[in-house]
Amino acid sequence: AQSVTQLDSHVSVSEGTPVLLRCNYSSSYSPSLFWYVQHPNKGLQLLLKYTSAATLVKGINGFEAEFKKSETSFHLTKPSAHMSDAAEYFCVVSDLSGSARQLTFGSGTQLTVLP
Amino acid sequence: DTGVSQDPRHKITKRGQNVTFRCDPISEHNRLYWYRQTLGQGPEFLTYFQNEAQLEKSRLLSDRFSAERPKGSFSTLEIQRTEQGDSAMYLCASITPRTGYGNTIYFGEGSWLTVV
Repeated sequence: AQSVTQLDSHVSVSEGTPVLLRCNYSSSYSPSLFWYVQHPNKGLQLLLKYTSAATLVKGINGFEAEFKKSETSFHLTKPSAHMSDAAEYFCVVSDLSGSARQLTFGSGTQLTVLP
Repeated sequence: DTGVSQDPRHKITKRGQNVTFRCDPISEHNRLYWYRQTLGQGPEFLTYFQNEAQLEKSRLLSDRFSAERPKGSFSTLEIQRTEQGDSAMYLCASITPRTGYGNTIYFGEGSWLTVV
């Protein structure tokens, strides 16, 4: 079985300050991990993915995430928040190698960026 | 546009009516997923297809829900006798699995259903 826990349901930062969105996962196999962003009334857009290659993954719009197996974490960071980053962020685990054939989503973190 | 497309984007229906949503995946993708997302929640898995075969269904998929992918290309999700609890966004996603990891799942923009 696999699961994802997003530790914060809401995060609020000021524009220009760092962003940290936390994610812990549980998986029986070596997972693939993703971060998706969802703007209001929009579908899901892939920010970045971890695929058992480099543990530090760079994504679009200046976001990056670090896979830490010992901590079972995959936290999303950005050095400097922009107003356009305000959205819902989902951490997702995928185990396509075993019997679990679907993605498991975290419950989401709503990011607010203050001017 | 070569992404995943969904139609209609919004649907308002009266309780008890039937609705159907269509998903056109990325053309070379052989695996297609349906998810449901309610307000304030992450998407929940409903079902998935490998080509035309429906390989797995969630317990969320009651007998009022049926999904098809007749030719292994587009898929439809039908909800019969809609209930207010069916109000949600229905997301479609597609992927082409390769050996190993790292397959990117591409989502459509979703079909919003409001049951009044």
